[in-house]
Amino acid sequence: AQKVTQAQTEISVVEKEDVTLDCVYETRDTTYYLFWYKQPPSGELVFLIRRNSFDEQNEISGRYSWNFQKSTSSFNFTITASQVVDSAVYFCALSEDTGANSKLTFGKGITLSVRP
Amino acid sequence: DTEVTQTPKHLVMGMTNKKSLKCEQHMGHRAMYWYKQKAKKPPELMFVYSYEKLSINESVPSRFSPECPNSSLLNLHLHALQPEDSALYLCASSQVIAGPYEQYFGPGTRLTVT
Repeated sequence: AQKVTQAQTEISVVEKEDVTLDCVYETRDTTYYLFWYKQPPSGELVFLIRRNSFDEQNEISGRYSWNFQKSTSSFNFTITASQVVDSAVYFCALSEDTGANSKLTFGKGITLSVRP
Repeated sequence: DTEVTQTPKHLVMGMTNKKSLKCEQHMGHRAMYWYKQKAKKPPELMFVYSYEKLSINESVPSRFSPECPNSSLLNLHLHALQPEDSALYLCASSQVIAGPYEQYFGPGTRLTVT
């Protein structure tokens, strides 16, 4: 069975601080996919990144960066120079299956508050 | 265009009412999903349609009835709901072949059952 743990529940930072959101996963499969989604107060989940288990390269997209480490089963997300607009709930998710029957296992989410 | 639209945005219904939630996407995705999300919880998968056929039903009560009339549309018919069914209902879509691909979510319908 697959599992995603986001141990941090709420994080509060001041604008311009860097913040890292942790994600640890469990799976028995060698092929799997990891995702991060952002859910602002408006409610819509916004896709941020998809990473497969064979690609351990870290990724940077503007102020966002992701650190994937298979050795520790972690896929952490860092926001550099945080902004108030980054305030949201962030979900890490895992999918083992392929194709149409793929199901996302979500972590419980981390509520990030960025104060001006 | 990575937009998934959902109507209505808000819905209040009594326990004896029948209503429907609608979802539409024009990204050519052949998988569509319904999720239920309670406050401060992650989304819970309800149904998955693949090529307009129901492929996953997560043991959802029969008072929720999904329908996929074509590759762009997904409905969720509601009947005789309970107050505990009040939640945010999210629709999503994704590509299918050689996935799993990222799912694109709509803004949701906030449902209140009185």
